[in-house]
Amino acid sequence: DIQMTQSPSSLSASVGDRVTITCRASQSISGYLNWFQQKPGKAPKLLIYVASTLQSGVPSRFSGSGSGTDFTLTISSLQPEDFATYYCQQSYITPCTFGQGTKLDIK
Amino acid sequence: VQLVQSGAEVKKPGASVKVSCKFSGHTLTEDSMHWVRLVPGKGFEWMGVFDPGDGETIYAQKFQGRVTVTDDTSTDTLYMELSSLTYEDTAVYYCVSVDVLRSFHYWGQGNLVTVSS
Repeated sequence: DIQMTQSPSSLSASVGDRVTITCRASQSISGYLNWFQQKPGKAPKLLIYVASTLQSGVPSRFSGSGSGTDFTLTISSLQPEDFATYYCQQSYITPCTFGQGTKLDIK
Repeated sequence: VQLVQSGAEVKKPGASVKVSCKFSGHTLTEDSMHWVRLVPGKGFEWMGVFDPGDGETIYAQKFQGRVTVTDDTSTDTLYMELSSLTYEDTAVYYCVSVDVLRSFHYWGQGNLVTVSS
């Protein structure tokens, strides 16, 4: 199975900050990398797919980059509604494995 | 597109659970349908995929022999049955619609399944 390693596991930041979360795959995933936001008691929400494509309706302050095994999610200017847990996931090969999550909270 | 799952369940160890996922807004044959669970304290686990086009399924090795995914095209409903439940199967189970770019774009609201004696 492909292992997905996210860092950091938790992060404290302030409204207006720029935040970066990284995700590393144990082998190349050919760009099939999704990023999700999850809030307590809710289903995950897709933010980014194929590493850098913004899902329809997602604010442009979210962006994704990377290729091969190394990927990044950036939030350019944190808004109050962005405090949540973020997950990466590879959908290149089954089983489609997830990172362990990054909990983003208010400093 | 909406995926509406059945309600929370409480099951005893050794029992089976069958979770449903009803589509609206697009036909069942357009995407592949996946099942994912969120285990408290452990994270997300991918369970399997169903191709509505040909009825083919692929299951994660961890769940082989215990999980069955089926569909009812007359009601646009997908089902996931998990047998021989243990306490470690306590989780929120999600159905997810996945497009040709392999984006997990539409999620059901989730089903909490609690295994308790």
